[in-house]
Amino acid sequence: EAQVTQNPRYLITVTGKKLTVTCSQNMNHEYMSWYRQDPGLGLRQIYYSMNVEVTDKGDVPEGYKVSRKEKRNFPLILESPSPNQTSLYFCASSTRGTSGGSYNEQFFGPGTRLTVL
Amino acid sequence: RKEVEQDPGPFNVPEGATVAFNCTYSNSASQSFFWYRQDCRKEPKLLMSVYSSGNEDGRFTAQLNRASQYISLLIRDSKLSDSATYLCVANSGTYKYIFGTGTRLKVLA
Repeated sequence: EAQVTQNPRYLITVTGKKLTVTCSQNMNHEYMSWYRQDPGLGLRQIYYSMNVEVTDKGDVPEGYKVSRKEKRNFPLILESPSPNQTSLYFCASSTRGTSGGSYNEQFFGPGTRLTVL
Repeated sequence: RKEVEQDPGPFNVPEGATVAFNCTYSNSASQSFFWYRQDCRKEPKLLMSVYSSGNEDGRFTAQLNRASQYISLLIRDSKLSDSATYLCVANSGTYKYIFGTGTRLKVLA
């Protein structure tokens, strides 16, 4: 089954304790992205990756790191989580579009609900 | 001003009604547009891409107005199962996607 998986699905942690949220896709997609969703703010893009070893910042990258060492995996790292990073996080993947604007569908993972105390 | 703006709703409509949502975008360089559907904090799923000529998929019709910088979604013959949040998305031709905050639709029996 074609899918995007995220782990963990739920996490409660404390300020400053490093954590990693994993994301994996089995569709051989080049493009992967991380979003956070907060009430009243919608989904905001954190980081994205156009291919292996190619990543770039989205609109809200502060406090996050990513890596793309393999095509299928795109982990999100919070080196020192803070309460303002409490949110619902989604990973997404798609085939890579052209530079003129892509109509490729993004497939989303089920989400990770993170609470930082 | 948000780059992509939507009326948050909720839009409460009876079954069988026709309902329309608009979404405005501020970046004139935006090149591709989408409507995604999201059920109660689950993952968003693509409903329709929005092409310049407009497009229709069953009961759903999407339109793009570049001059006024808005896109619209029309749902005909609303079903209870259409109750969800509808997210408008714009892409400026880079690999960044800007989501609106969503419009909630409740279809009532």
